[in-house]
Amino acid sequence: GAGVSQSPSNKVTEKGKDVELRCDPISGHTALYWYRQSLGQGLEFLIYFQGNSAPDKSGLPSDRFSAERTGGSVSTLTIQRTQQEDSAVYLCASSRWGGYTDTQYFGPGTRLTVL
Amino acid sequence: GENVEQHPSTLSVQEGDSAVIKCTYSDSASNYFPWYKQELGKRPQLIIDIRSNVGEKKDQRIAVTLNKTAKHFSLHITETQPEDSAVYFCAANLPGTASKLTFGTGTRLQVTL
Repeated sequence: GAGVSQSPSNKVTEKGKDVELRCDPISGHTALYWYRQSLGQGLEFLIYFQGNSAPDKSGLPSDRFSAERTGGSVSTLTIQRTQQEDSAVYLCASSRWGGYTDTQYFGPGTRLTVL
Repeated sequence: GENVEQHPSTLSVQEGDSAVIKCTYSDSASNYFPWYKQELGKRPQLIIDIRSNVGEKKDQRIAVTLNKTAKHFSLHITETQPEDSAVYFCAANLPGTASKLTFGTGTRLQVTL
């Protein structure tokens, strides 16, 4: 079946502009995660959605970052007033139930470049 | 919170040799440790995982060992092949938070002919 998809694959923006990144999880997966991968670094947790529960936003680096998940499926990560340090690959993942041993399936990522 | 350290950052081995990547974690309550492989330009994919009630797990040429006392776990790849070349990430779950993973900084493995 179809895997996790993300769009756009690449995004170049100017400092100060807002950007929206989209994630389509695997159909039927109730849990959705956003990570950030900076050059040469590991994956940094940003936010986690599980079903209809309030999202876990503990990884968001500043209040310029926000995310929503509509209808328990598609998610959008929004970065307002982008800064150069926001440049990274943003990865989305989904898992079936969100249990601690659930496999997280990753999307291809969105490469964000802030000029 | 959880902190995961991973070594080495780069590793070069000859085809057919073994490769070992080591990770340490800080929170003794972590109980799930997956390993992801990320080939160049591709998405991370789970290759093997281990729970804290198990000391070792094998899947063909790859194995993972866990030492809970020392709070470290390792990935072992035997009979390496060129297609094993990739970046490998270890991770540990944050205790009590079900699905949140803390990742290591990755190991770039290069298998040379």
